[in-house]
Parts: sequence; C-alpha cells; structure tokens
Amino acid sequence: SQTIHQWPATLVQPVGSPLSLECTVEGTSNPNLYWYRQAAGRGLQLLFYSVGIGQISSEVPQNLSASRPQDRQFILSSKKLLLSDSGFYLCAWTLGMGFAPLHFGNGTRLTVT
Amino acid sequence: TQLLEQSPQFLSIQEGENLTVYCNSSSVFSSLQWYRQEPGEGPVLLVTVVTGGEVKKLKRLTFQFGDARKDSSLHITAAQPGDTGLYLCADTTSGTYKYIFGTGTRLKVLA
Repeated sequence: SQTIHQWPATLVQPVGSPLSLECTVEGTSNPNLYWYRQAAGRGLQLLFYSVGIGQISSEVPQNLSASRPQDRQFILSSKKLLLSDSGFYLCAWTLGMGFAPLHFGNGTRLTVT
Repeated sequence: TQLLEQSPQFLSIQEGENLTVYCNSSSVFSSLQWYRQEPGEGPVLLVTVVTGGEVKKLKRLTFQFGDARKDSSLHITAAQPGDTGLYLCADTTSGTYKYIFGTGTRLKVLA
C-alpha cells in the first residue's frame, strides 16, 4: 500500500533562518506531488506541484521554493524565513489527472519567531 | 482565479441535530471533492461528484452537486461528535493537475 511521510511534525525557526521540509511517498511510481499551506482552521493554499522529476509549478511566488530530486521525494525550502511563513504545511500525492483523490501527509506545523 | 467559498465558516451544534454546509464556486467545477480534516492531520477524501445534479450518500452524509456545477452541499443527519472536523471542498480543475480548495467549514458537534 502507498504511504506518505512528512517531517518534521513541528518546527520553530527564527526569522531569517533557512527552511527545509521533506516529503516522501512509498508504494507508487511517478506520483504528482503537492505542497499546500494552511492558516489556522482555514482552507488550503496551493504552493507548488510537480508531475515529474525536476518539474516544478509554482502557484505562489514568494520566498519559498520547491524541488523534486527523486521520483517520490518533494522538498520545500526557503533561504530566509519571514514571520508570514508560519503555518501548517501539507504534502500530498495523487496519480494521473482528473478525479483521483489527494492523499495527504500529517503536516508540519511551522512557527517563525 | 477561481474562488471557492464555503459557508458557514463555523458551526457548533448538539449531537443528534441535522446540518448543511455549502460550497460555491466563481466558475464551473470540473469535478468536486469533499474532504474532512481532523486537528493535526491531513484532509481525507469523503466523496467525488462529477455530474450536475448528482447526489451521493455516505452513511449519514449526503452530498449534492448543483445542476449548473457551480455549487455543492453536504448534509449530515443526526450529527455525532465523531463528525467534528474541518470540511473542505475542492475542485480538481480539468486540464490541469491543480486541486483548488475552499475556505473550509469548521464543525463542532457537542455531546
């Protein structure tokens, strides 16, 4: 069966520090991968998605970036965090295009102080 | 840019009551999905609806897709504390790989 791992679960970082969040999927090949950010109790904002190794589509041009160095690995990065980067970051995967469900990890709670 | 508005934003009810939450889009849905999210976890898919006017039932949950495919509703009968969570609608956006989510409805069912 397929599983998605996301870490760390929680992170507290000072303003101006770098960020690296990692997500890996097991049990499937060539998944579409997604990074979302969620403000407290609210909807999900799509940040990046990728449909193949090295391919990244950006929805929110801020100080965040994403990379996909391997088929089932998706990384979210920042060189210098801002206070506004605080939030709940979710990684997700799906297969194909259309009606397939998104499968989410358990998220990373990031607090920038 | 497509906007998905959900209402109400927050709902607190007693166990056993019925409720309906809504999802409205500024443009026609490609297909619509409903997810439920519990605190500290990722959302989990409840249902996918594709055809205008479609109605799907999942135990005590009834999902309806508007005839014009610009709105949807989720009705819960005899709510239970286990129904507590954040309910999210999402559009799968035909022709792209993007999933656009609504603003969410936070439901709390009191025992």
